[in-house]
Amino acid sequence: KAGVTQTPRYLIKTRGQQVTLSCSPISGHRSVSWYQQTPGQGLQFLFEYFSETQRNKGNFPGRFSGRQFSNSRSEMNVSTLELGDSALYLCASSLQRGPNNEQFFGPGTRLTVL
Amino acid sequence: GQNIDQPTEMTATEGAIVQINCTYQTSGFNGLFWYQQHAGEAPTFLSYNVLDGLEEKGRFSSFLSRSKGYSYLLLKELQMKDSASYLCAVLPNDYKLSFGAGTTVTVRA
Repeated sequence: KAGVTQTPRYLIKTRGQQVTLSCSPISGHRSVSWYQQTPGQGLQFLFEYFSETQRNKGNFPGRFSGRQFSNSRSEMNVSTLELGDSALYLCASSLQRGPNNEQFFGPGTRLTVL
Repeated sequence: GQNIDQPTEMTATEGAIVQINCTYQTSGFNGLFWYQQHAGEAPTFLSYNVLDGLEEKGRFSSFLSRSKGYSYLLLKELQMKDSASYLCAVLPNDYKLSFGAGTTVTVRA
């Protein structure tokens, strides 16, 4: 079956702009989590969505937001972009919530803010 | 916050064994994960430990000691394709998966 897909794969924006990233989970998976990966900070948890509800949120400013649709697809939005938002944004899906549900990662969206 | 430490880099020879250590101090514990990430690719799941002891999966094994806040990933019979970053991640009580900075393993012929 198809894996987790993320669009776009690469994105270049300028400071102050806003961006929307999309994630389609594996068919049947209901939980979607988002992570930011940078060389300096490593992988950091952004949010988790399940059944169209945000279940958990990491320590990121309010400029970072997201949502999940009824088909489990998820989007994340970053407004008023800053240079420090340049990163690889990874989405991961799992069948259910809970620690022993393996997360499958998508290829990521590489965002560059100029 | 959560604190997860692992070595930055390790180098080993093809066919050898490498052990990647991970120590953690977190607010609660709901399991420890190991992921492999090749350069430019997404992380892939390797193992999940929630109880003390050793879990073996082919050439890869993972060990956990909850009382010591310690885990290791053992890679046996190293192959060139094992050159990658290995990420240790802990699920604390707030269920926000927390990752270590990753260990870059380089396998040399």
